[in-house]
Amino acid sequence: KQEVTQIPAALSVPEGENLVLNCSFTDSAIYNLQWFRQDPGKGLTSLLLIQSSQREQTSGRLNASLDKSSGRSTLYIAASQPGDSATYLCAVRGMAYNTDKLIFGTGTRLQVFP
Amino acid sequence: NAGVTQTPKFQVLKTGQSMTLQCAQDMNHEYMSWYRQDPGMGLRLIHYSVGAGITDQGEVPNGYNVSRSTTEDFPLRLLSAAPSQTSVYFCASSYDDTDTQYFGPGTRLTVL
Repeated sequence: KQEVTQIPAALSVPEGENLVLNCSFTDSAIYNLQWFRQDPGKGLTSLLLIQSSQREQTSGRLNASLDKSSGRSTLYIAASQPGDSATYLCAVRGMAYNTDKLIFGTGTRLQVFP
Repeated sequence: NAGVTQTPKFQVLKTGQSMTLQCAQDMNHEYMSWYRQDPGMGLRLIHYSVGAGITDQGEVPNGYNVSRSTTEDFPLRLLSAAPSQTSVYFCASSYDDTDTQYFGPGTRLTVL
């Protein structure tokens, strides 16, 4: 059974810092991995989608990497801003019949203070 | 495009009552799904659909029914509400099951 873990569960950093959020998964047979952002009381917003054949994706100050063999992904946020404060979720879609649905981690709650 | 819309935003039910959570998308997506989000447990898949007329169970389907009569709509029915169904419910859609998923704003349900 696919399990997705995100560490740390919470992170508080000063504005301007570069930071890394971690996501690990137990079954490396995946189609893709997706990073989401969730603001309090809101739905999820997709940030980056990495297909299994890709090693990384970039969007603005965000860079996500994928290492399937080790079952790890990182989300790098450059020059963090207070507006980046939110919960960040990763989710993987597996290839096997019983893992081919999106499986979510429990998220990292990020606070960026001025 | 409105994207994925959900109604209602908030709902309070008494144990044993039934209700339908509405979900609609205007992106002509074939793939739609329902998740529930509980503290400390992340999002868990309830039911999903790969197209009109086709539905299947996810990880936690018990107590919920779905149907997909059109591409646009994917309602979730609670048959007899229980306190364990108190949660935030999200509907999502995508072009196919390997594409970016788009989420609605959620419905916060409390069952007393």
